[in-house]
Amino acid sequence: GDSVTQMEGPVTLSEEAFLTINCTYTATGYPSLFWYVQYPGEGLQLLLKATKADDKGSNKGFEATYRKETTSFHLEKGSVQVSDSAVYFCAHHSGGSNYKLTFGKGTLLTVNP
Amino acid sequence: SAVISQKPSRDICQRGTSLTIQCQVDSQVTMMFWYRQQPGQSLTLIATANQGSEATYESGFVIDKFPISRPNLTFSTLTVSNMSPEDSSIYLCSVGGWQGHYYGYTFGSGTRLTVV
Repeated sequence: GDSVTQMEGPVTLSEEAFLTINCTYTATGYPSLFWYVQYPGEGLQLLLKATKADDKGSNKGFEATYRKETTSFHLEKGSVQVSDSAVYFCAHHSGGSNYKLTFGKGTLLTVNP
Repeated sequence: SAVISQKPSRDICQRGTSLTIQCQVDSQVTMMFWYRQQPGQSLTLIATANQGSEATYESGFVIDKFPISRPNLTFSTLTVSNMSPEDSSIYLCSVGGWQGHYYGYTFGSGTRLTVV
């Protein structure tokens, strides 16, 4: 069935370090792919998305490219800030009449000054 | 995208009691979803609520424990019944809808429930 496998944390980085959080998926059809962010004490916010192969989603310095050949959607940021400390969730929606989002387990990122 | 108001934002409840969580959307939406996020865990879909029909529950969740109402296209409630400490979680509502060429989702800010 559909699933999302996400790099487990926690991940601890120093400010201005490079960030990669790996995400791979299994899905039927051609899913849309998402990264959501959950800041401490808050709900989920959409960080970025990609809806077809080779699309690159980007927002707030974060990027992820939809790689169909490797079924991956890795999240990257060139220089993290303390304010990026949060939990990051990879997710996909397989489309069709199934409107469910399938989430990865989440990765806790802590950025130290 | 839609704006969701979810309340209460948090509550501490006695075991054996019930809590009803409300989700108000600023626009009409067909699909509403209720998720549970247990401490340190990912999100698990409880049920999908469409207006005018019974909610569809995921495996492991039953209507007697999590009754859902969906009286119109902008509002839904989730009740956590006969609570136990294991129900301590964050409960989030979400709405889905076409945003241009893709189907996207918006989440409420969540209800942090602690059962003592």
